[in-house]
Amino acid sequence: EAGVTQFPSHSVIEKGQTVTLRCDPISGHDNLYWYRRVMGKEIKFLLHFVKESKQDESGMPNNRFLAERTGGTYSTLKVQPAELEDSGVYFCASSLVGGRTTEAFFGQGTRLTVV
Amino acid sequence: KQEVTQIPAALSVPEGENLVLNCSFTDSAIYNLQWFRQDPGKGLTSLLLIQSSQREQTSGRLNASLDKSSGRSTLYIAASQPGDSATYLCAVRQNNFNKFYFGSGTKLNVKP
Repeated sequence: EAGVTQFPSHSVIEKGQTVTLRCDPISGHDNLYWYRRVMGKEIKFLLHFVKESKQDESGMPNNRFLAERTGGTYSTLKVQPAELEDSGVYFCASSLVGGRTTEAFFGQGTRLTVV
Repeated sequence: KQEVTQIPAALSVPEGENLVLNCSFTDSAIYNLQWFRQDPGKGLTSLLLIQSSQREQTSGRLNASLDKSSGRSTLYIAASQPGDSATYLCAVRQNNFNKFYFGSGTKLNVKP
């Protein structure tokens, strides 16, 4: 079974440009989460989808970040326009809805560098 | 607001030693706690998941304990090996579907 897959693995863009990150969750996982780790800090929550609906977007830093999950499958996270402080590693995670355990599975992350 | 702290930040041990990594959290009303491993440039690999009603979980040489009332968890690694070198992260959830709160991790180096 494929795990959580993220594209691209690395992205280097100039300040002011737009970048779109993609996450493919494990098949059948309705919960999808975005997190990011900026240099020297802990991993922090950005937002949570249940299927195609945004359940919690309290961690989104500002309106330059837009997340979508059309059809409740893969998700995209767009940063427009990118700023230097957006550099970091963006992780996606997915888990089942319901069930006795809700173990979350993480992707390998996308390392974003804004120069 | 939940805060998760991991001590130590870094640890270097010779191969074969048993070791303990610590995690503490400020709000004891958690739903579960999960330990992850992260290798350089890689994603997070789930090691152990402990539900709030459980006291410990074991997988191979790893044992994680949870004392919810005191806001603490430990990850015990027996007979450490160089392949165990990685960053170990602790994360807690407040309810079934909620976000994780992560600690900043313990970077472990096991020397051959």
